[in-house]
Amino acid sequence: DGGITQSPKYLFRKEGQNVTLSCEQNLNHDAMYWYRQDPGQGLRLIYYSQIVNDFQKGDIAEGYSVSREKKESFPLTVTSAQKNPTAFYLCASSIGNPGRSSGYTFGSGTRLTVV
Amino acid sequence: GEDVEQSLFLSVREGDSSVINCTYTDSSSTYLYWYKQEPGAGLQLLTYIFSNMDMKQDQRLTVLLNKKDKHLSLRIADTQTGDSAIYFCAESGGGGNKLTFGTGTQLKVEL
Repeated sequence: DGGITQSPKYLFRKEGQNVTLSCEQNLNHDAMYWYRQDPGQGLRLIYYSQIVNDFQKGDIAEGYSVSREKKESFPLTVTSAQKNPTAFYLCASSIGNPGRSSGYTFGSGTRLTVV
Repeated sequence: GEDVEQSLFLSVREGDSSVINCTYTDSSSTYLYWYKQEPGAGLQLLTYIFSNMDMKQDQRLTVLLNKKDKHLSLRIADTQTGDSAIYFCAESGGGGNKLTFGTGTQLKVEL
């Protein structure tokens, strides 16, 4: 079955460490997205990529980095520069522009906690 | 810029109807969406409405769109405990290359 897989489900980071969250999709979708979810704040866009080897900053890109070397994969690195990284991170994908009936397909999320 | 607003909480009794409201700012949005998020999970697309429609019905779900007031609502008939979740509305915006989500409405269904 086609889908989008995020790993790990839970991740713990020590102060000053970089960590990488994995996102893989086998839907043959062109576009991929990373969102951060905090209680009462909804989803905030971190980065998105519409084609391989290209990506754009979203609304809260500071302290994060991404790469898009393969169509199927869009890993997110949370760097030590991100001062408040504890959150639920969601990856999504879409067929080209999401402004059509299919919208986004979401992964099941990674909960990152700073310890 | 784009902005989507929702109330944070809604509590209903099992069997009643639930109405979740959303306001948005980008009048050029082609599609508007409703997503459901269960605890600790990702978002699932529930339904969508094309911008030239006023209403869309899908089993227990009814979506109403008032383009003049930029108001979107989701009505869930005969609400069940399994409907307890966070509901997000989203707009596609004029450019259509990314969705903007609301803050989410936590629906609690009480027995």
